[in-house]
Amino acid sequence: DIQMTQSPSSLSASVGDRVTITCRASQSISDYLNWYQQKPGKAPKLLIYRVSSLQSGVPSRFSGSGSGTGFTLTISSLQPEDIASYYCQQSYSIPPTFGQGTKVEIK
Amino acid sequence: QVHLVESGGGLVKPGGSLRLSCAASGFTFSDYYLSWIRQAPGKGLEWVSYISSSGTTIYYADSVKGRFTISRDNAKNSLYLQMNSLRAEDTAVYYCVRRYFSGWFADYWGQGTVVTVSS
Repeated sequence: DIQMTQSPSSLSASVGDRVTITCRASQSISDYLNWYQQKPGKAPKLLIYRVSSLQSGVPSRFSGSGSGTGFTLTISSLQPEDIASYYCQQSYSIPPTFGQGTKVEIK
Repeated sequence: QVHLVESGGGLVKPGGSLRLSCAASGFTFSDYYLSWIRQAPGKGLEWVSYISSSGTTIYYADSVKGRFTISRDNAKNSLYLQMNSLRAEDTAVYYCVRRYFSGWFADYWGQGTVVTVSS
């Protein structure tokens, strides 16, 4: 199975800050990388698919980049409603696997 | 819009059984692969099982193989997960998810149902 590793595990930032989360795959996954947002007590929600395509309704302050084994999720200006855990997931091979998550808090 | 509603979770003793159900609406159910993804308390996400649109292709994670059975009823727009020989490590929130039409990611999630395995 492909291992996905996220960093950091948690971060604290101020409203308006630029936030970056990194995801690394144990082997090349081309551009088959997706991001989910999970707010406390809620189900995850698809945020970005195939590295950089925003799911319908997702604010444009979210963006994704990368290829091969290294990927990033960027929030250009952190908002209070962005408090959540973020998970990357590879869809290159079966089984699809997730990173361990990054918890984003407001400073 | 797309709705996925799970039911059937609860408290069960080790070695016991549960059957989860997922009622779907808002899309052509028989066109999509469906899956169960679980999340243990305070932990990450694990893709447990998937079933193809026709039901002919099925996958299980090694952690549940031989104990869990996924099925679907396209006439009833329903997905199921029969869980036998339950263990403490199966304790989790179980989500019913729809796989994106042409890619291995989950574009819609249910609200989840809680399964607790404890004596």
